Amino acid sequence: AQSVTQLGSHVSVSEGALVLLRCNYSSSVPPYLFWYVQYPNQGLQLLLKYTTGATLVKGINGFEAEFKKSETSFHLTKPSAHMSDAAEYFCAVSVAPSNTGKLIFGQGTTLQVKP
Amino acid sequence: GAVVSQHPSWVICKSGTSVKIECRSLDFQATTMFWYRQFPKQSLMLMATSNEGSKATYEQGVEKDKFLINHASLTLSTLTVTSAHPEDSSFYICSATGSDEKLFFGSGTQLSVL
Repeated sequence: AQSVTQLGSHVSVSEGALVLLRCNYSSSVPPYLFWYVQYPNQGLQLLLKYTTGATLVKGINGFEAEFKKSETSFHLTKPSAHMSDAAEYFCAVSVAPSNTGKLIFGQGTTLQVKP
Repeated sequence: GAVVSQHPSWVICKSGTSVKIECRSLDFQATTMFWYRQFPKQSLMLMATSNEGSKATYEQGVEKDKFLINHASLTLSTLTVTSAHPEDSSFYICSATGSDEKLFFGSGTQLSVL
């Protein structure tokens, strides 16, 4: 069975500071990993995903994440936070090799960006 | 622009009534659609998976007679909350995937049952 744990339900950073949102996963098979962003009362938007290949994945809006199998982690980072990055972020896992969309989500992390 | 349209975005209903939520794929054929439920400040929980033309597969603990899912065409899936009660109040989100297996989410429906 797969599971996802996001460390820290709330992260606060200053504008321009590094953003680090933590995600650890558990999977008995090679995982497909995703990061989604959700703005208030909206659906989810895909930031990036890891399936196979390069372990450092670049996504939209300057975000990137690194798949570390030895640490079972897929942390999300951004070098410099913008006010517009304030939102809810979800890490998710799907069973490889089929990206069926049947995702298991983490608990979510609220990112607050202070001016 | 949005490729999955979900309506309504917000609905209030009286306890005991039924509410239908629509999820449409706008420019692709959605062979599979997923319905999630999200409580405030919590994660999304998968309710069911629906494939066009077949019965939906419900996750453990989800009442299939209460949450009726219909996926009659390749562009439309509906979720009907029957005999809604206040505990059914939640944010419902659909997602859809087609032949290229890209996944797109709807904008969600906030259901409030009085």
